[in-house]
Amino acid sequence: DTAVSQTPKYLVTQMGNDKSIKCEQNLGHDTMYWYKQDSKKFLKIMFSYNNKELIINETVPNRFSPKSPDKAHLNLHINSLELGDSAVYFCASSQAPGPYSHEQYFGPGTRLTVT
Amino acid sequence: AQKITQTQPGMFVQEKEAVTLDCTYDTSDPSYGLFWYKQPSSGEMIFLIYQGSYDQQNATEGRYSLNFQKARKSANLVISASQLGDSAMYFCAMSAYAGGTSYGKLTFGQGTILTVHP
Repeated sequence: DTAVSQTPKYLVTQMGNDKSIKCEQNLGHDTMYWYKQDSKKFLKIMFSYNNKELIINETVPNRFSPKSPDKAHLNLHINSLELGDSAVYFCASSQAPGPYSHEQYFGPGTRLTVT
Repeated sequence: AQKITQTQPGMFVQEKEAVTLDCTYDTSDPSYGLFWYKQPSSGEMIFLIYQGSYDQQNATEGRYSLNFQKARKSANLVISASQLGDSAMYFCAMSAYAGGTSYGKLTFGQGTILTVHP
């Protein structure tokens, strides 16, 4: 019973290529997120979707384009990959945030290596 | 803007002893949540414990407790009776509600690597 799943787990590709990472959650949550963890283990929000609507876009290059076909899925497409895009990308989901915060449940991560 | 600071890059503890991992935060929002996550060497992010800014009592979850001191803006994680499996990176994080503009995003600290010795 995987709550938040991501595919692929590992992705090795060359500079300039376009790639996608898929995320699905079966928790019935309304809100999904993409985070990037760099080589120093620092985690930073990239995007957030609430019920298929983009809510947060944190100064991410427009080579990164999230897409949410329904509230259980949030995919990340990356164009023209660069060496600096190498990182671990985590998908997460939570109940819709509001005055009270809710814990976020993370997927297993996708380790992207750009050569 | 929110900020989380974890000043301990690494901590060591003997098995079965208690350990405290430090976390301080900064926000101007009156409503916020504080979280701790564990990241073992396998890489997944595991939610441990949550404390709301309006909660009067410190949160506890099994061997984990959160020492919440609002005036000091600190939210330290206490792990009692450490086990070898507790060796991992631990992240403190905050989510603040600012009328929808932050919309639940987590702001993370730099992390603390905990090593439990047998």
